[in-house]
Amino acid sequence: TQLLEQSPQFLSIQEGENLTVYCNSSSVFSSLQWYRQEPGEGPVLLVTVVTGGEVKKLKRLTFQFGDARKDSSLHITAAQPGDTGLYLCAGARGTASKLTFGTGTRLQVTL
Amino acid sequence: NAGVTQTPKFRVLKTGQSMTLLCAQDMNHEYMYWYRQDPGMGLRLIHYSVGEGTTAKGEVPDGYNVSRLKKQNFLLGLESAAPSQTSVYFCASGEGGELFFGEGSRLTVL
Repeated sequence: TQLLEQSPQFLSIQEGENLTVYCNSSSVFSSLQWYRQEPGEGPVLLVTVVTGGEVKKLKRLTFQFGDARKDSSLHITAAQPGDTGLYLCAGARGTASKLTFGTGTRLQVTL
Repeated sequence: NAGVTQTPKFRVLKTGQSMTLLCAQDMNHEYMYWYRQDPGMGLRLIHYSVGEGTTAKGEVPDGYNVSRLKKQNFLLGLESAAPSQTSVYFCASGEGGELFFGEGSRLTVL
């Protein structure tokens, strides 16, 4: 059973467009992380959100944790080719010794 | 600062062969993890360790064994490889959901 579902699975957009990636679950998480992975490399942590309703910004990326701590979104403003990659959400429950990863959203930004 | 280092990066095995993947971290983390990544399925936890000498099963532990004899090292073993174990394996260390990953080990079982 996949606890975290991401949508869309694939997204191909042109430079300058905006986009939103969603991460949904029926379970409550104590914290939620977003990672980005480039081909041939391991995932790299972008952000952690811990409070329901929390919004964090990282340059052109805006992350939001749902009020009930069951879902999250990642919004990218004015996408650039450097944003291309696989975006993964991951949720921690309880003692947070284990993370559950989402299915991933593969983003391609073209010129 | 090397972070998390995995060896080997690539390996091809025949069905039934055994092998060990080595993970080393230099960040003094207590927690270490082994994940596998398959197309369309994200990352799935195989085994993890909350400290030297301890190991625990994750979501997909069957067919794998692990050992954490030293705090900085976490070994993943395949005793009798099967084609279903063809995957990219990632080691990670860290706590509180904030993990640092290695570059991955691509394993093909023929």
